[in-house]
Amino acid sequence: AQRVTQPEKLLSVFKGAPVELKCNYSYSGSPELFWYVQYSRQRLQLLLRHISRESIKGFTADLNKGETSFHLKKPFAQEEDSAMYYCALSGDRDDKIIFGKGTRLHILP
Amino acid sequence: NAGVTQTPKFRILKIGQSMTLQCAQDMNHNYMYWYRQDPGMGLKLIYYSVGAGITDKGEVPNGYNVSRSTTEYFPLRLELAAPSQTSVYFCASSYPLGAGELFFGEGSRLTVL
Repeated sequence: AQRVTQPEKLLSVFKGAPVELKCNYSYSGSPELFWYVQYSRQRLQLLLRHISRESIKGFTADLNKGETSFHLKKPFAQEEDSAMYYCALSGDRDDKIIFGKGTRLHILP
Repeated sequence: NAGVTQTPKFRILKIGQSMTLQCAQDMNHNYMYWYRQDPGMGLKLIYYSVGAGITDKGEVPNGYNVSRSTTEYFPLRLELAAPSQTSVYFCASSYPLGAGELFFGEGSRLTVL
């Protein structure tokens, strides 16, 4: 069965410090991994996906198949990064996407 | 282009009542999804559909029903509402997942008392 684990419910980081939001997954095939973000009073939206290999708003995420991880990183946190972040997985053999429990990122001034 | 539209935004139900959460998208997406969001539990997939006339169960389908008669609409029906169904419900749509991202509605906050 596919599963997405985000071990931290809440992560508090000072402005300017590095950020790492952890995501581990369980899937036997070749998954596609995503990070979605929900800013206060806004809709859930895609932040990035592993196949794009992009940096969005300074965030990057690398798929590590050996460690089954897809951690989200940013070298210097900004106050506007405060939001709820969800890691998500789509399997190569089905049409659904499942989410982790989410991590609330709180950037301290 | 409105994207994904959900109604109602808020609703209070009594135990045992029924209701339908409406979801419409104007992006001609084949794939549509219903999730519920509970504090500390993240998003759980209730039902999804890969096209008109096709629906499938997600992680937590019990107590819910869906239909997909057209590409645009994907209503979620709650029969015999229970307090455990108090949640925020999100509808989303996409092209086939390999090609695109999920677009979410604003959510519907449902309270069952």
